[in-house]
Amino acid sequence: KNEVEQSPQNLTAQEGEFITINCSYSVGISALHWLQQHPGGGIVSLFMLSSGKKKHGRLIATINIQEKHSSLHITASHPRDSAVYICAVTGNQFYFGTGTSLTVIP
Amino acid sequence: ETGVTQSPTHLIKTRGQQVTLRCSSQSGHNTVSWYQQALGQGPQFIFQYYREEENGRGNFPPRFSGLQFPNYSSELNVNALELDDSALYLCASSWDRGYTEAFFGQGTRLTVV
Repeated sequence: KNEVEQSPQNLTAQEGEFITINCSYSVGISALHWLQQHPGGGIVSLFMLSSGKKKHGRLIATINIQEKHSSLHITASHPRDSAVYICAVTGNQFYFGTGTSLTVIP
Repeated sequence: ETGVTQSPTHLIKTRGQQVTLRCSSQSGHNTVSWYQQALGQGPQFIFQYYREEENGRGNFPPRFSGLQFPNYSSELNVNALELDDSALYLCASSWDRGYTEAFFGQGTRLTVV
């Protein structure tokens, strides 16, 4: 069983739709990261959370420490948002989810 | 854009050969971690280096080894390459063995044939 579980694994949306990606974890953490990875590319850090909620442009990330759950929301999705979104938690190392592959269709 | 750079970006090696991958750290960071990401999978922790010493290791065999230099840049060495070593290798730099502020490189795509 993975320490970090994400859902859904794959997601296709029409441009403009509101998107939610969920992440659950089973280990004690010091922080939770949402990462973005484009095809063939490296990883870009979107958010680092230890509590509450953060917003950056059209992206919103929330975390519930008691429930060990986080969500990443994308408002007014755009084709350039197409990427793999990875949830990762940090304790003594990074534990990564397997990612959610998002495709936004024009 | 981060200050973490990896080289080379792509590499093709033959089974049994040895490979060295390189990673520079974000300015001010003294910790480097390496990860292997097989196609369609999440990254897996290989090891972490802090102030030139190994500080934690994942479930990888000894033929995966590393170095960290006084300027905190790092190398990942893999001996006796196997086909299953084909993957994207990522490094992340951070501060004082933690991961609160971690920046990733673009990765090195290794193909073993």
